[in-house]
Amino acid sequence: DAGVIQSPRHEVTEMGQEVTLRCKPISGHNSLFWYRQTMMRGLELLIYFNNNVPIDDSGMPEDRFSAKMPNASFSTLKIQPSEPRDSAVYFCASSLGGRDNEQFFGPGTRLTVL
Amino acid sequence: AQSVTQLGSHVSVSEGALVLLRCNYSSSVPPYLFWYVQYPNQGLQLLLKYTTGATLVKGINGFEAEFKKSETSFHLTKPSAHMSDAAEYFCAVITGFQKLVFGTGTRLLVSP
Repeated sequence: DAGVIQSPRHEVTEMGQEVTLRCKPISGHNSLFWYRQTMMRGLELLIYFNNNVPIDDSGMPEDRFSAKMPNASFSTLKIQPSEPRDSAVYFCASSLGGRDNEQFFGPGTRLTVL
Repeated sequence: AQSVTQLGSHVSVSEGALVLLRCNYSSSVPPYLFWYVQYPNQGLQLLLKYTTGATLVKGINGFEAEFKKSETSFHLTKPSAHMSDAAEYFCAVITGFQKLVFGTGTRLLVSP
């Protein structure tokens, strides 16, 4: 398996623009997670899905952020409009589900908002 | 709320020396604990995990960790550091259904 796939790997955009990050989880995994990593706040969970249904979105910073999982093999995280403080590395992870199963992380998308 | 605290944002060792990275947890229920490693410009990779059973857990790349309930600790060790171990290490605890809460990370520096 190719692992968790994220695109793009790098994104540079200007403040106010819409940004869409994409994730393809490992085939057969039924849980998907979006994390954000910054120097100030470290690694924080934004939202996670189980069987394509959002379970916990309490980490989503504000209404400018939205996430979807239309099917088991694809998810998006959208920021509209983007702001400089959204600059971070965004990771997608997937797992088989359950508290003791490993979450497999993708390589991340480095977002820079100018 | 469940949380983990990593002591020391940077740890420096010489190649061949013992590696000890500290993690303490806070949890009102029996915790599930994890150590992840992040190499530069990469995602996180699981080193090892403790769920139930044996308190000494062995992971990949020669790392191990011991769950000590009395000390609320889950420190990561490796008997002999290698240059390739230089990376950032994160301790984490599962809360709720599957929510991982990470510590602030410890950057391991290995000198020749």
